[in-house]
Amino acid sequence: RKEVEQDPGPFNVPEGATVAFNCTYSNSASQSFFWYRQDCRKEPKLLMSVYSSGNEDGRFTAQLNRASQYISLLIRDSKLSDSATYLCVVTGGGNKLTFGTGTQLKVEL
Amino acid sequence: GAVVSQHPSRVICKSGTSVKIECRSLDFQATTMFWYRQFPKQSLMLMATSNEGSKATYEQGVEKDKFLINHASLTLSTLTVTSAHPEDSSFYICSARDGYSPRAFFGQGTRLTVV
Repeated sequence: RKEVEQDPGPFNVPEGATVAFNCTYSNSASQSFFWYRQDCRKEPKLLMSVYSSGNEDGRFTAQLNRASQYISLLIRDSKLSDSATYLCVVTGGGNKLTFGTGTQLKVEL
Repeated sequence: GAVVSQHPSRVICKSGTSVKIECRSLDFQATTMFWYRQFPKQSLMLMATSNEGSKATYEQGVEKDKFLINHASLTLSTLTVTSAHPEDSSFYICSARDGYSPRAFFGQGTRLTVV
């Protein structure tokens, strides 16, 4: 089983739609959780951290469920510029970042 | 925010030659840097953890004699791909942390093509 699992997609959605991504992780001792965004042929960039209490940043909402070892990202009112690959990232022992394979989002007119 | 600079951004080399990639933390000291490799349509895979002043820690399956890592100062780590082969063609990315923050800052990545 992969340490961090994501549906690779692609998710093709119309502009203005709401889309949700899910991620599961296998190591119950994982300590920190993030969503990163990666555009084609570019480095990953931090989108937001994820907390059990849930956190929101504009159109983006992230949620962590430690009991289920499950992380989610919700994007409301999708924009064309949201098209990218979204990476679920988990840190554990040794401060290593473990990346999911990423979920590709394509927002269309 | 913290900035990590990686150079070169793109390199094409002949099979059998060596390529050095540099990763610099520009406005903070990074005792630990991480080197990743990403093949097309795949996730970033950690290759090794670079520790300032000591030997790097390599992930299972990564050849330490092929991928030489040097972290001689708190702001610079280098990855040298020795005797490169076409199968080493990939996107190599470094990252570093600022202090104890779990957040990582990434270099711009190096696209290596071995012909």
